[in-house]
Amino acid sequence: NAGVMQNPRHLVRRRGQEARLRCSPMKGHSHVYWYRQLPEEGLKFMVYLQKENIIDESGMPKERFSAEFPKEGPSILRIQQVVRGDSAAYFCASSPPGPGTGEQYFGPGTRLTVT
Amino acid sequence: AQSVTQLGSHVSVSEGALVLLRCNYSSSVPPYLFWYVQYPNQGLQLLLKYTSAATLVKGINGFEAEFKKSETSFHLTKPSAHMSDAAEYFCAVSGTSYDKVIFGPGTSLSVIP
Repeated sequence: NAGVMQNPRHLVRRRGQEARLRCSPMKGHSHVYWYRQLPEEGLKFMVYLQKENIIDESGMPKERFSAEFPKEGPSILRIQQVVRGDSAAYFCASSPPGPGTGEQYFGPGTRLTVT
Repeated sequence: AQSVTQLGSHVSVSEGALVLLRCNYSSSVPPYLFWYVQYPNQGLQLLLKYTSAATLVKGINGFEAEFKKSETSFHLTKPSAHMSDAAEYFCAVSGTSYDKVIFGPGTSLSVIP
């Protein structure tokens, strides 16, 4: 069973461009979470999605950031008009449906660099 | 609401010495508690988790943690440090099995030969 997959692993964008980060959850998992890790900081929750639904987006910046988890395909975190402050590692995690133990399985992350 | 504090952003121990990384949490509901490890430029790996079963939780790589409700603590220990234990360690809490996970700021562990 493959783990959580994220691509690309490294992404370089110039200021003003768009960044698209993709996350494929573990097989059978229907819950996806996105976290951001700024340099020298811990992980901060951004958004929690289930298929076709945003459950909790309390950690998402109000502008330029959006996320989706369509019925088919990976979850996408989209950052429009990137700025230098968006440079960070973005981690995706997934968890299975049904009663769980709260454990989330993390992907390797996408490291975004804005030049 | 949940929150996590980790005392000591950097901890250094000698190889073979006891490792103790401190974590205190705040939660308005019975918490789920976790310790994750992150090696440089990698993702997070779960070391262990507490989910209201035994208060002493054993994890991978010889680590264990004890849940103490009265102290709202979940400290991570390992009897004998190994060079390969050098990494960043994050304590985390969530309120339900599907809630977002709230991470502490992390503790960087260095192991001195």
